Amino acid sequence: ETGVTQTPRHLVMGMTNKKSLKCEQHLGHNAMYWYKQSAKKPLELMFVYSLEERVENNSVPSRFSPECPNSSHLFLHLHTLQPEDSALYLCASSPSLTSPLDEQFFGPGTRLTVL
Amino acid sequence: QKEVEQNSGPLSVPEGAIASLNCTYSDRGSQSFFWYRQYSGKSPELIMFIYSNGDKEDGRFTAQLNKASQYVSLLIRDSQPSDSATYLCAVKSGGSNYKLTFGKGTLLTVNP
Repeated sequence: ETGVTQTPRHLVMGMTNKKSLKCEQHLGHNAMYWYKQSAKKPLELMFVYSLEERVENNSVPSRFSPECPNSSHLFLHLHTLQPEDSALYLCASSPSLTSPLDEQFFGPGTRLTVL
Repeated sequence: QKEVEQNSGPLSVPEGAIASLNCTYSDRGSQSFFWYRQYSGKSPELIMFIYSNGDKEDGRFTAQLNKASQYVSLLIRDSQPSDSATYLCAVKSGGSNYKLTFGKGTLLTVNP
């Protein structure tokens, strides 16, 4: 595996379900991100982790719960979601949080549909 | 509220022409500027970034930055149908070394 991988690629869930999205980066980076991409809206930053420590929670509802067990893995735990949470969820990684020149590399995303 | 504005398009150009994609940003302290390409149903892919005023060239792509005018552009020379995608402009503001603010993107269509 190379780059940033995400599973599952597609997910359909009911509002009462609990599910988790998984992200893994194979780039040796120290920072990982969760973004939400909805139709007709810019990408929205949700969470940022650096070396397993959360450094940003961008006013995300508590029904989204991130977890970063190590610098290569990132999870997004989902529970009691709403239909408006249907979107493409993108994971990204970057070498660090300290350089403005660091690039962010995106995974393929999970297309989430909440019924 | 830091904003990044892009013309949503669609921008339609014939094959072989130059496509010009534009982006303006509101935070005068912004440090670095990124262009991503996103094919339909796929994730964003970094094309190039720029942080100094002037032009930066990489193959058929040229990024242009004018900090005084708070304007960044991407030129695609010899456009190909495979360049048809949404192009996202993203800006790192002066207050953060990692937080990217994205525009909504410009849809480019290159007609054979």
